[in-house]
Amino acid sequence: AQSVTQLGSHVSVSEGALVLLRCNYSSSVPPYLFWYVQYPNQGLQLLLKYTTGATLVKGINGFEAEFKKSETSFHLTKPSAHMSDAAEYFCAVRNNQAGTALIFGKGTTLSVSS
Amino acid sequence: EADIYQTPRYLVIGTGKKITLECSQTMGHDKMYWYQQDPGMELHLIHYSYGVNSTEKGDLSSESTVSRIRTEHFPLTLESARPSHTSQYLCASSVAGGSYEQYFGPGTRLTVT
Repeated sequence: AQSVTQLGSHVSVSEGALVLLRCNYSSSVPPYLFWYVQYPNQGLQLLLKYTTGATLVKGINGFEAEFKKSETSFHLTKPSAHMSDAAEYFCAVRNNQAGTALIFGKGTTLSVSS
Repeated sequence: EADIYQTPRYLVIGTGKKITLECSQTMGHDKMYWYQQDPGMELHLIHYSYGVNSTEKGDLSSESTVSRIRTEHFPLTLESARPSHTSQYLCASSVAGGSYEQYFGPGTRLTVT
């Protein structure tokens, strides 16, 4: 069965520091992978996606993620955190059993301190 | 502007009431989804639709029902609300084919007392 594991339910960084949010997945077929961000009282917004091709993908707001098949990982990074990055982040993989639905991890809350 | 709309945004209702959560999209997407989100938990798929007159149950057992009479409209109905239905409900849509990314509405936070 497919699954997504996000390591660390809460990550705290200082403004200007590197952001690293970890995501591991399991999938029996080549995965389609996504990172979403959710701000309080809002829906999820797509940050970036990996489908095929280049394993380093760039998204909005300076975020990027690297697909590593050998490690079944898709970690999200940003070189320099900004206060506005404080939010909840979800990693997701395409659900092969339910059409084009997504399977989500439990989310990681990112806090940024000044 | 292409978007996904959910109403109401917040709803507090008593046990036993029938409620319908509305979801509409102007994205022109064929596929639509309903997810349930609880704090600290992953989103769980409760219903999805490939198009008009198509509805499927998701991974999470749910006492809700959905309908898809129009492409842009995908309402979710609870015939008799219970406190266990208290949660956030997110509607999403995606294009047919493509890279499968989904676009989400702002959510409805439901509290059943």
